[in-house]
Amino acid sequence: ELKVEQNPLFLSMQEGKNYTIYCNYSTTSDRLYWYRQDPGKSLESLFVLLSNGAVKQEGRLMASLDTKARLSTLHITAAVHDLSATYFCAVDPALGNEKLTFGTGTRLTIIP
Amino acid sequence: DAGVTQSPTHLIKTRGQHVTLRCSPISGHKSVSWYQQVLGQGPQFIFQYYEKEERGRGNFPDRFSARQFPNYSSELNVNALLLGDSALYLCASSYRDRYEEYFGPGTRLTVT
Repeated sequence: ELKVEQNPLFLSMQEGKNYTIYCNYSTTSDRLYWYRQDPGKSLESLFVLLSNGAVKQEGRLMASLDTKARLSTLHITAAVHDLSATYFCAVDPALGNEKLTFGTGTRLTIIP
Repeated sequence: DAGVTQSPTHLIKTRGQHVTLRCSPISGHKSVSWYQQVLGQGPQFIFQYYEKEERGRGNFPDRFSARQFPNYSSELNVNALLLGDSALYLCASSYRDRYEEYFGPGTRLTVT
C-alpha cells in the first residue's frame, strides 16, 4: 500500500522567511503533484513533476522531485501572507490498481 | 472554458438515507475520479471511471457506488449514510487515465 508522508504538518512562518515542506512516499513513482487548498475550498493545482530531477518554480514557490530518494520538496521563498493555506502532495503510483494518494497536508500560516 | 462542476454544493442528510452526488467533467475529459476529504485530512480516492468503465476503486465499503454516463458525467451514490460519511466529496477529471486531474469545487455532505 502506497504511503505518502508530509512534514511538517503545521508550519507558522514570519513574512519574508524561507522554508521547505517535505513529501516522502513509499513506492516507485515518477508522477507527483502539489496542490494548494484554502479553507472550505477545493484543490488548486500548483505543480506537476513527471521525472527524476524535475524542478518547477512559480513565483515564491519551487518544487522538486527525487524519485530515487522518493522525496519531493516544496520550497517557499520570502513568504507573504497570501501563501497561507494547506499544501498537499499527491503521488500517482507507477503500477497496480492504486490511484492518486495524498499526503496528510501541511497547514501553512504566514505571520506578518 | 468551464471547469469541473459538481452539484449540489451542500447537502444535509440523516443517518440511513441515500445520497447522489453529480459531477460534470471538463469538456473533452474522459476520466472522472471521486475523492472523500474528511475535515483535517487529505483527500482519499474512492473511484475512477475512464471511458465509462471502472478503472479503480479505493478502500470504501459497498455502500459507495458510482457510474459514468455516455457524456462522461458521473454520479457517486452512497447508501445507508453514517455520521462518518460527513465530508467534502471532490470530483476530478482528466483527459485520459493517469493524466493530471483537475478538481471541482466539491460537495459538502453533512450527515446528522
